[in-house]
Amino acid sequence: QKEVEQDPGPLSVPEGAIVSLNCTYSNSAFQYFMWYRQYSRKGPELLMYTYSSGNKEDGRFTAQVDKSSKYISLFIRDSQPSDSATYLCAMRSSGNTGKLIFGQGTTLQVKP
Amino acid sequence: ETGVTQTPRHLVMGMTNKKSLKCEQHLGHNAMYWYKQSAKKPLELMFVYSLEERVENNSVPSRFSPECPNSSHLFLHLHTLQPEDSALYLCASSQVEQQVQFFGPGTRLTVL
Repeated sequence: QKEVEQDPGPLSVPEGAIVSLNCTYSNSAFQYFMWYRQYSRKGPELLMYTYSSGNKEDGRFTAQVDKSSKYISLFIRDSQPSDSATYLCAMRSSGNTGKLIFGQGTTLQVKP
Repeated sequence: ETGVTQTPRHLVMGMTNKKSLKCEQHLGHNAMYWYKQSAKKPLELMFVYSLEERVENNSVPSRFSPECPNSSHLFLHLHTLQPEDSALYLCASSQVEQQVQFFGPGTRLTVL
């Protein structure tokens, strides 16, 4: 079993839709959770960072962590064509310096 | 563009060639990383340098040789590569005590 599972998609939605991206994980020691966005031919850029359980909102983006279910989500409201990219979840435990575990990435296409 | 730069952006090499990838970070970080990104796979951590010392070598074949001359620069020396080594090679940096890594744009490597 992979430590982090993420549906690769592709996920295609119309402009303005609410998008839900998800990852599940198996290691209960994970404490830090991140979402990266990667455009074609670019490196990943940090989108959201959350510590432990709870919600975090930044503009149209909301990150949720449910540690009891080992499940994290990224919601995108009012999706735009410019949101079309691959979204990578990443996580790590405390005390494990630098070793991020990544999901496979979900490819999202927002159609105008 | 992020504070992490990588050169070259594209590289085509034969199996007998020797080449080097270069990474430079302008963020004042003290940890640097090499990742391999292949299609349909999660990012694979290759090497970690913390305070200019290699702290992780993730079972990477010896045909990949990293070098970190100072906290701002990281190299990946390549020799006698195989076609299956074709991938996007990403460099990242962070502060050792912080969780978030910042990525460069990557070098797209093709081995013929």
